[in-house]
Amino acid sequence: QQPVQSPQAVILREGEDAVINCSSSKALYSVHWYRQKHGEAPVFLMILLKGGEQKGHEKISASFNEKKQQSSLYLTASQLSYSGTYFCGTEVRMGQNFVFGPGTRLSVLP
Amino acid sequence: NAGVTQTPKFQVLKTGQSMTLQCAQDMNHNSMYWYRQDPGMGLRLIYYSASEGTTDKGEVPNGYNVSRLNKREFSLRLESAAPSQTSVYFCASSLRMGVGRGYTFGSGTRLTVV
Repeated sequence: QQPVQSPQAVILREGEDAVINCSSSKALYSVHWYRQKHGEAPVFLMILLKGGEQKGHEKISASFNEKKQQSSLYLTASQLSYSGTYFCGTEVRMGQNFVFGPGTRLSVLP
Repeated sequence: NAGVTQTPKFQVLKTGQSMTLQCAQDMNHNSMYWYRQDPGMGLRLIYYSASEGTTDKGEVPNGYNVSRLNKREFSLRLESAAPSQTSVYFCASSLRMGVGRGYTFGSGTRLTVV
């Protein structure tokens, strides 16, 4: 039931763009995105509910394609501060079966 | 600042010892959670409390017990620690399960069992 994230890791130069994908074998009610810096707690970025909406948070946005049971996180013009591990979390039904993906490690180099 | 507070931040136990991890939130959230994080394993749910007075098992509950003391506090107890319980433990809270709000995490407890 754990969602699959791809890629597992990505290395960028400052200013480059990246896309992180999260997919599930089950129909989804919601998708969460979190960022965790090394040695720190995960921090909530955004949540997407079924309906295919796209949300934004600074230069980070995400989409949710409920037909494909997939969400994508878009990082535009990446900054050094974007480095960390990004986790998606998926919920099959409202309030049920919430589970985190394994994470995608993002490294932004100067 | 409002948030989730966990204590202790670090702990070393000997195999067989017991301990309780404390968690408190001051955001008036209804739901609280305990996760463990191991390298390459992501975050795995140990126990959760959907609301005050209720607790339920998550994905990896064996070897743990929890108590939802009141709306603010949710503790995790290891009765007889084992080396396999060496991990980073995070407490989290949310307004209410399934209402479209994210989780707020505490800073974590780094537990080593020798």
